[in-house]
Amino acid sequence: DAMVIQNPRYQVTQFGKPVTLSCSQTLNHNVMYWYQQKSSQAPKLLFHYYDKDFNNEADTPDNFQSRRPNTSFCFLDIRSPGLGDAAMYLCATSKYSRKSYEQYFGPGTRLTVT
Amino acid sequence: DQQVKQNSPSLSVQEGRISILNCDYTNSMFDYFLWYKKYPAEGPTFLISISSIKDKNEDGRFTVFLNKSAKHLSLHIVPSQPGDSAVYFCAASVIQGAQKLVFGQGTRLTINP
Repeated sequence: DAMVIQNPRYQVTQFGKPVTLSCSQTLNHNVMYWYQQKSSQAPKLLFHYYDKDFNNEADTPDNFQSRRPNTSFCFLDIRSPGLGDAAMYLCATSKYSRKSYEQYFGPGTRLTVT
Repeated sequence: DQQVKQNSPSLSVQEGRISILNCDYTNSMFDYFLWYKKYPAEGPTFLISISSIKDKNEDGRFTVFLNKSAKHLSLHIVPSQPGDSAVYFCAASVIQGAQKLVFGQGTRLTINP
């Protein structure tokens, strides 16, 4: 089945220690997104890639970076995690279309910062 | 500035009855609206959507209504089933190159036997 896969599902990192979360997709979608979701809050878009074009949200902290080496993979790098970065991180994909705005989500990675 | 709001954090409905989940938005530029369903430990899954040129879209037990003048949409589930118990997110789209979704905070729906 075509899907969006996120690894790891649970990640524990220490305060200030760089961490990388990964996302892969078998849908061959040209757009990939990273969202941050804190408890009982709306998922918040951090950035997205339209093909190889990187689009950062204006309020995404510089501490968050992303890489997309190819169509299938996208990484979220947190350079110096703080306690406030503990959250669920969701990866999503979409196939750009004027008819459908549907995004397909992975199961998420829950990040704990100690 | 929260552009999409779901003012009810939770809703409890008896099995077989109608569930109505509400969503309000402030940005008149939104032109497409979606509902997502999320089970624990899973990512959100797409449920149903509606374009701003329509006021109703139906898919089986799920119907979404859009009231553009009130900037309000609702999701109706009839009849409600225990498997419908989940968190429901309303989302609205902004076209800026790739379509970005703006989500509400979610409503936790519990269906009681």
